[in-house]
Amino acid sequence: EVQLVESGGGLVKPGESLRLSCAASGFTFSNYNMNWVRQAPGKGLEWVSSIDGTSSYIYYADSVKGRFTISRDNAKNSLYLQMNSLRAEDTAVYYCAREVAITMVRGVTPDYWGQGTLVTVSS
Amino acid sequence: DIQMTQSPSSLSASVGDRVTITCRASQDIRNDLGWYQQKPGKAPKRLIYAASSLQSGVPSRFSGSGSRTEFTLTISSLQPEDFATYYCLQHNSYPRTFGQGTKVEIK
Repeated sequence: EVQLVESGGGLVKPGESLRLSCAASGFTFSNYNMNWVRQAPGKGLEWVSSIDGTSSYIYYADSVKGRFTISRDNAKNSLYLQMNSLRAEDTAVYYCAREVAITMVRGVTPDYWGQGTLVTVSS
Repeated sequence: DIQMTQSPSSLSASVGDRVTITCRASQDIRNDLGWYQQKPGKAPKRLIYAASSLQSGVPSRFSGSGSRTEFTLTISSLQPEDFATYYCLQHNSYPRTFGQGTKVEIK
């Protein structure tokens, strides 16, 4: 059974850092692109970042570029999101989701998602 | 960046109604589009991928159509469990972009 389990969320102050993790099981992790998607309270879905199976191709939303870093450890079946210089507008539930790659930029609609982890940035 | 314009933002419908939600892409995305259903406090659930392919286990009352810039999600006969928010997502290029969402409420 495919499972994605996020962890690492919590309450932090503006300017602080946090590292999210996503533990994958039930599939060959290295064969999939992985995504982080977030949802601010009461708002829609926002794509944050993607990484391919070999960590060769990495993409970020403009809203997090230079502050967030996506990475993965295929030996540990884990995806990470290092979030630095956090702002109030980063407050959201963060989901990881897997995606089959078609080309370097095209993929298949992400199928499995984790349950999400809440990040709250507030003084 | 590709903009996804989803409409309507909300709708009220009755059980048994036919419901149609539209997403327009600002440029050609081939058929690289999917549809999700999200209920409060839950992760999005994939309904449709590659614009018109039904996710295994999803009822056949859900269907997707379209290509290039115009896409539609149709619920042929709305059921009580279908009241939720629906999103489209383009995965043709980066940055990935979602539609703004359509909240389907009970009339």
